[in-house]
Amino acid sequence: DAGVTQSPTHLIKTRGQQVTLRCSPKSGHDTVSWYQQALGQGPQFIFQYYEEEERQRGNFPDRFSGHQFPNYSSELNVNALLLGDSALYLCASSLQGLDEQYFGPGTRLTVT
Amino acid sequence: DAKTTQPNSMESNEEEPVHLPCNHSTISGTDYIHWYRQLPSQGPEYVIHGLTSNVNNRMASLAIAEDRKSSTLILHRATLRDAAVYYCILRRMNSGNTPLVFGKGTRLSVIA
Repeated sequence: DAGVTQSPTHLIKTRGQQVTLRCSPKSGHDTVSWYQQALGQGPQFIFQYYEEEERQRGNFPDRFSGHQFPNYSSELNVNALLLGDSALYLCASSLQGLDEQYFGPGTRLTVT
Repeated sequence: DAKTTQPNSMESNEEEPVHLPCNHSTISGTDYIHWYRQLPSQGPEYVIHGLTSNVNNRMASLAIAEDRKSSTLILHRATLRDAAVYYCILRRMNSGNTPLVFGKGTRLSVIA
């Protein structure tokens, strides 16, 4: 049983560009949450998707958007990249109504 | 969400017990205490959670103070693989898929 997978593993972008990160949830899970983790900090919640809709959102600007597909996989899009967007982006999946979240290994984004 | 306070770092010798403290003086009666850990280059993983009584699982034990204002995660025999950042998180009872609110956690170093 594959756990949560994310792609790509690493990514380097230039300021002002756009990026798309992908996440496949653990088998049987229907809810995907995205977190941003800056170096030396704990993960910060970006948003959560369930039934292909954004259900909850953290304190992140509209440059951060997402999508969930019918197979429950999800994408995180970031437009107009800033240097401060450099971070580890984590995807977590869960089953709606249950507490435990399962995290993927993350995508390391570097903005130069 | 109520706030938690943890030491920035701790050190342990291999094969000795480790007690990781967490203070949560503003905890409400409906808050569960969750612990996650993040191994190097990985996403966080669930360790254990509890409400009032002490809890045990294959990974660790959770000791909760009688007034619930503090708790301690206990690793009975630390191994090198236990070197990680440990996060203490409060989550409202029946919170379903509310996002996890991470602090900076405690970085545990294990010495061979």
